[in-house]
Order: sequence, then structure tokens, then C-alpha cells
Amino acid sequence: DTGVSQDPRHKITKRGQNVTFRCDPISEHNRLYWYRQTLGQGPEFLTYFQNEAQLEKSRLLSDRFSAERPKGSFSTLEIQRTEQGDSAMYLCASSFSNRWQFFGPGTRLTVL
Amino acid sequence: AQTVTQSQPEMSVQEAETVTLSCTYDTSESDYYLFWYKQPPSRQMILVIRQEAYKQQNATENRFSVNFQKAAKSFSLKISDSQLGDAAMYFCAYRSAARGTGNQFYFGTGTSLTVIP
Repeated sequence: DTGVSQDPRHKITKRGQNVTFRCDPISEHNRLYWYRQTLGQGPEFLTYFQNEAQLEKSRLLSDRFSAERPKGSFSTLEIQRTEQGDSAMYLCASSFSNRWQFFGPGTRLTVL
Repeated sequence: AQTVTQSQPEMSVQEAETVTLSCTYDTSESDYYLFWYKQPPSRQMILVIRQEAYKQQNATENRFSVNFQKAAKSFSLKISDSQLGDAAMYFCAYRSAARGTGNQFYFGTGTSLTVIP
């Protein structure tokens, strides 16, 4: 499978715990995006990388959220001290330069 | 920021019939892209069709076509000969074509399409 992959697919955690998600983009894609999707809503942009550089962050990305793409390949999104409001589907997408984005299957986070 | 509006939360269509999903957007830019993505239940987003704003000709992809009205900032999706597999949430999305931007997508809230056998 050469599409965008995300791990884990589902994560249940208790409030206050830290969680980390991983995204593996399509191999030749230099851009990687993180989105958050809550029930009944469209995806909302969180942050974007070009190669290893994080070039843009949404105001939705509070200081409890951090994302990395250390070698310009896979990316991780960490949420510290999770809150119930963090419960959502976290989507990763990748693209080659400014072409259209291919989405992964998402990680569904439930914070109890 | 750009906004994308999908005013139809839910739509239904008889199998083999035609349905049109509406989308409007607000932008001050002249160069951009518009997309329709499909998200089946518990499955990932799939690109259905895209339109470059500089092109006057409406995009077509098999049974899927768009009606792009740039002046009206309208971008509707027509699905012809609807099939059971078309049932999904459909999202309209906008992306700037301006250089130097991250080209993030702005999504609408989606339209849930039911196909009735």
C-alpha cells in the first residue's frame, strides 16, 4: 500500500494523559498536513510541514499540541495533558509541492 | 480567512437518478482550486473531482461533474446515475493557489448523501 498511513487508528485515553500519533506520507511527497475533524464538521487545518520545516500553524494548535517531522518523512503529533475537547478524528494528508492532498485514514481519539 | 458553505446537511437520491450537491465559498483571491472529497463511513477521504479557478470549463470525472460559477462563488457537484457506493459524506474544499502559502484546505461542513435502492 503506497497511500498515507496513520497509527494508531483508534486511541482511548484518560484526561490528563499524553498521546502521540504517527503519520507516514506518500514517499515522494514533500508536504505534510495535520487536520482535526469533529463530529458533523469538516476537517480543520492544524499545521503543515514542507520537508522537515514546520511552516504554518493554526491558532487551533494550542501549546499542548506539538508536531514534528524530523527527517522530512514521517510526522508525529503529540497532545499533552489531553482534555475531553480534544476528542476528534486527527487526519494527516500529504502532497507533492502544491498539488492536491491525499488523506490518510485518520486516528480517532477519545478522551474519557 | 476563506469560508466554505455547504447548506445541505443531508441529501438523498434514488439509485440511478441524478443529484446535485451545493457549495458556495467566500474569497478575495482570484487564483485558487476547488475540490470535492468523499468520505465513506469510517473510511478515509477520497478526492472526487477538482477545478482550477482559471479554467472556465467545468471539470468532469466519469459520473461526477461540477458547475463552477466563479462570479457567484458557487461550486456544485452533480452525480449522475447514482450508485449505492456513492453513499458518503461529501466535503467541498477550497485551496489557495497563491505562492508562499501552505495551500491548506478550507472545508465545508459536509453533505451526507444517502442512496436509496
